[in-house]
Amino acid sequence: QKEVEQNSGPLSVPEGAIASLNCTYSDRGSQSFFWYRQYSGKSPELIMSIYSNGDKEDGRFTAQLNKASQYVSLLIRDSQPSDSATYLCAVNLRGQGNLIFGKGTKLSVKP
Amino acid sequence: GAGVSQTPSNKVTEKGKYVELRCDPISGHTALYWYRQSLGQGPEFLIYFQGTGAADDSGLPNDRFFAVRPEGSVSTLKIQRTERGDSAVYLCASSLTGLANLVSYNEQFFGPGTRLTVL
Repeated sequence: QKEVEQNSGPLSVPEGAIASLNCTYSDRGSQSFFWYRQYSGKSPELIMSIYSNGDKEDGRFTAQLNKASQYVSLLIRDSQPSDSATYLCAVNLRGQGNLIFGKGTKLSVKP
Repeated sequence: GAGVSQTPSNKVTEKGKYVELRCDPISGHTALYWYRQSLGQGPEFLIYFQGTGAADDSGLPNDRFFAVRPEGSVSTLKIQRTERGDSAVYLCASSLTGLANLVSYNEQFFGPGTRLTVL
C-alpha cells in the first residue's frame, strides 16, 4: 500500500522561529514531491515542489528531499502567525498522474 | 490570471438524490484531477483526465460516481443515489500537462472545492 506519513501535530512554534515539518513515503517509485498549505475551510495551496535530492529554497521556505531515506521535509524560517495552517505533503509515483497525500501537519505559530 | 473554479461552493442534498459538481480548470491546462477530502484527512484521488479522456479512474469508489470532460476543458463529476458517506469536500485541480514519458513534474493547482452534504 502506498503511504505518505506525517505527524498530525499540532506543531507549535514561537513567532520568528524555524518550523520543521517532516514527511516519509513508502514507495520508492515516488518521483515528484510537493508541499501544500491549507488554511482552515480553504483548499490546498501549492507552496513548494521538489524533484531531486537535496535542498530547494524559495523565500522563507526550504524543501529537503532524501530519496534514499524516503524522506521529505519543509523548513519555514522566521515563522509568522500567518503561517499557521495545515501543511500537506504529497507525492507522485512514476507512471501515475495523481498525487498521494499525507493527512497533514497542523502548524501553530504563536505571537 | 484566473484560477480553477468550482460550482457550486456548497451543495446540500438528500440521500438517494443525484448531484453534479462542475470544475473549470486554468486556461490552457490539459490535465484535470478530482479529489475528495474528509475532515482531518488529506485529499483522496478520484479520477484524472488528460484532455477529454479519463486517463485513470482507479480512485472512483464505486459505479455511482462518474465524471466527464467532453471538450477537454470543463469537467463534471456526477454522483448517483447519493449516500451520507459521500459527504465531503470535492476538490478539482489542474496542471499544465499530465504524464510525459511516465513522469509527472507538473504542479497541480486546486480550486476552492465544493462542500457536499448528504442528509
